[in-house]
Amino acid sequence: GDSVTQMEGPVTLSEEAFLTINCTYTATGYPSLFWYVQYPGEGLQLLLKATKADDKGSNKGFEATYRKETTSFHLEKGSVQVSDSAVYFCALTPNTNAGKSTFGDGTTLTVKP
Amino acid sequence: EPEVTQTPSHQVTQMGQEVILRCVPISNHLYFYWYRQILGQKVEFLVSFYNNEISEKSEIFDDQFSVERPDGSNFTLKIRSTKLEDSAMYFCASNLQGAGEKLFFGSGTQLSVL
Repeated sequence: GDSVTQMEGPVTLSEEAFLTINCTYTATGYPSLFWYVQYPGEGLQLLLKATKADDKGSNKGFEATYRKETTSFHLEKGSVQVSDSAVYFCALTPNTNAGKSTFGDGTTLTVKP
Repeated sequence: EPEVTQTPSHQVTQMGQEVILRCVPISNHLYFYWYRQILGQKVEFLVSFYNNEISEKSEIFDDQFSVERPDGSNFTLKIRSTKLEDSAMYFCASNLQGAGEKLFFGSGTQLSVL
């Protein structure tokens, strides 16, 4: 079945540091890939997405590129802020009828001033 | 921006009791989902619902669980006889096209089974 593997956390960075959270996936066919973010005490929100190979999703300074050859969708940000502290989930959704998403374990990011 | 709303935000119940978690998906969406997140663990798919029937369910979604769309706006998850291990955050989600599309999540219902 489908699976998503995320870099283990937690990750602690200083403000303005460079962030990478690794994500690799296993799926049949060509799924859509997503990064969701969960701020403390809140639900999941879409951060960015990519629907086909070589697409780059970007939002709020975060970027991720859909790499079919390495089955990866790593999340990056050039300069993190304290407000980026949250849990980040990589997810895939198959392009089939069910629309069921598979999530990674989540990576907790803490950014210190 | 339209939102998925869930009520209640917190639910405490005794083991063996029935609970109903309520969700109002975004009004023009056609696909509805329930996910759960046990504390410190990953977000897990429970069930998807389209055209008034379940389109897919996970092994977690056993006979104790049921879903219903009782009217044009609500989407409910019922747990018939709660167990301690049902304690989790339950997220409702919806989208318009189903396959391959992002999910719009509610803020969740934290269920605590005592």
